[in-house]
Amino acid sequence: QVQLKESGPGLVQPSQTLSLTCTVSGFSLSSYGVIWVRQPPGKGLEWMGVIWGNGNTNYNSALKSRLSISRDTSKSQVYLKMNSLQTEDTATYYCARNGYEAFAYWGQGTLVTVSS
Amino acid sequence: DVVLTQTPVSLLISLGGQASISCRSSQSLVHSNGNTYLHWYLQKPGQSPQLLIYQVSNRFSGIPDRFSGSGSGTDFTLKISRVEPEDLGVYYCLQRTHNPWTFGGGTKLELK
Repeated sequence: QVQLKESGPGLVQPSQTLSLTCTVSGFSLSSYGVIWVRQPPGKGLEWMGVIWGNGNTNYNSALKSRLSISRDTSKSQVYLKMNSLQTEDTATYYCARNGYEAFAYWGQGTLVTVSS
Repeated sequence: DVVLTQTPVSLLISLGGQASISCRSSQSLVHSNGNTYLHWYLQKPGQSPQLLIYQVSNRFSGIPDRFSGSGSGTDFTLKISRVEPEDLGVYYCLQRTHNPWTFGGGTKLELK
């Protein structure tokens, strides 16, 4: 079955870089894209970016200067890196599979707190 | 960026009642390929969002027919009939026609 799981540090200091990993199973990263979405506590959803099955990427223009998404197909892992973190980047970060049926499968999410 | 405006922001519904949520887009969501990439999600408390409807009106696998989506161009509606306790949470629309992809602000469905 399709599964995604996010992992990474729960706490990041201001101005530092966030690194998250999304480990997938049940599908090939060469066949499906993976997206990242974040949700500040008590607020709505924000699409961050996508890495397509061919390895190309698209980013939310509001985050583009700070954000990088990459992958290792042999490990079935997708990576998110975002630099210059501030307190407003505190959020739950989700990865999800992108396909014909939009974001049909999601990870459980990982809470990242930006604080000194 | 495309702005999706959801109304109402909150909805009080009795069990067994019907709910209707509107999602209006600042631009047409018809893609150049003719498809309309407007989707609906439900986020239950403490959970990840779950897909209900994709491309306006297609129910995802396992979603009961109490949920239906409709609309075209810039105006879209999600209807929930015979509301059950497990339907409570926040509903979001999402567009994938224009980059950046964007979500609506959400509609919270609560019991009256």
